[in-house]
Amino acid sequence: DTGVSQDPRHKITKRGQNVTFRCDPISEHNRLYWYRQTLGQGPEFLTYFQNEAQLEKSRLLSDRFSAERPKGSFSTLEIQRTEQGDSAMYLCASSATGGMVNEQFFGPGTRLTVL
Amino acid sequence: AQRVTQPEKLLSVFKGAPVELKCNYSYSGSPELFWYVQYSRQRLQLLLRHISRESIKGFTADLNKGETSFHLKKPFAQEEDSAMYYCALRFSARQLTFGSGTQLTVLP
Repeated sequence: DTGVSQDPRHKITKRGQNVTFRCDPISEHNRLYWYRQTLGQGPEFLTYFQNEAQLEKSRLLSDRFSAERPKGSFSTLEIQRTEQGDSAMYLCASSATGGMVNEQFFGPGTRLTVL
Repeated sequence: AQRVTQPEKLLSVFKGAPVELKCNYSYSGSPELFWYVQYSRQRLQLLLRHISRESIKGFTADLNKGETSFHLKKPFAQEEDSAMYYCALRFSARQLTFGSGTQLTVLP
């Protein structure tokens, strides 16, 4: 499968624990995005990388959230001291630069449940 | 601030009937509009984009700047069209702003 992959697909954790998610983009894509989707809503933008540089962060990304893309390939999203409100689907997408549209290709998501 | 509104959470039509999924947006500049679709147990995928003026799987969408709308239409719905549909707006080279989605069910 040459699409965007995410790991794990599901994560159940207790409130206060830290969690880390991984995203592997399509290999030739240098742009990577994180979104969060809660029940009944569309995806909401969290942050964006071009290569290893984090160029944009949403106000939704509180201090407990940190994202990295150390070598411009895979990315990790860490949530510290999880809260029940963090329960959501976390989506990763990637795109290439250039071209007219820069279509974003989405991964299957990581579903986080905070108990 | 940019915003995308999809007024219908649920929409049911019979097979062969026309279908229209509504999308309205608010943005002061020149937006790029997209429709994304998510079939059951599959990932979110791009269906079509306004700048391409294309028809995908029989679906079309026209950007109406006067009404700030980008409704998705298909003249004859098929059962395989049943899915969640999201309208999305892009105002930078980066993030997408999504609506809350419309669950379309095509009845036999």
